[in-house]
Amino acid sequence: EDQVTQSPEALRLQEGESSSLNCSYTVSGLRGLFWYRQDPGKGPEFLFTLYSAGEEKEKERLKATLTKKESFLHITAPKPEDSATYLCAVQQNYGQNFVFGPGTRLSVLP
Amino acid sequence: EPEVTQTPSHQVTQMGQEVILRCVPISNHLYFYWYRQILGQKVEFLVSFYNNEISEKSEIFDDQFSVERPDGSNFTLKIRSTKLEDSAMYFCANRQEMNTEAFFGQGTRLTVV
Repeated sequence: EDQVTQSPEALRLQEGESSSLNCSYTVSGLRGLFWYRQDPGKGPEFLFTLYSAGEEKEKERLKATLTKKESFLHITAPKPEDSATYLCAVQQNYGQNFVFGPGTRLSVLP
Repeated sequence: EPEVTQTPSHQVTQMGQEVILRCVPISNHLYFYWYRQILGQKVEFLVSFYNNEISEKSEIFDDQFSVERPDGSNFTLKIRSTKLEDSAMYFCANRQEMNTEAFFGQGTRLTVV
């Protein structure tokens, strides 16, 4: 069965303390992997799309990477405003919809 | 930046009543989706809509659910007879092409009492 898992479930960092979030997936043919940020009570906000192993994307303090089985979201020198739930979603080759992981709840303390 | 707009932001309804959730998608986007998120749980796929017809649906999307583009622009989700377990955030999403990112609305919080 196709599956998307994320770890850790929750992460508390001090401001400036870099870390990585993991998204592992088992799908039969990956069309794309997407990272979203979700603030409480809001809709997912698009961050990155990755299509093939070895690909990397960067935006401000965030960098996303992709291998054949997992993706990492690296957060460099985070700030309190980076606190949110980070969601990973995958789209398979033969489908149109996304399968979301459960998310990692990130708290950055000042 | 173009936005996906959902109305209402919050709807409270009695069990057994019909509700219609509305979405104004980004104008040149071709693929439309409804997702839901029960409090504290994952975002779950309900249905996708392309070329004026349903292209995929999940097991959640049973006969109580339907989708429409009533005027060729707005996109609606109807739940015919709501149940307590339908209480969730419902998100509309759309994308320009199959391989591009999807943009989500801010959601409608549905509370069934």
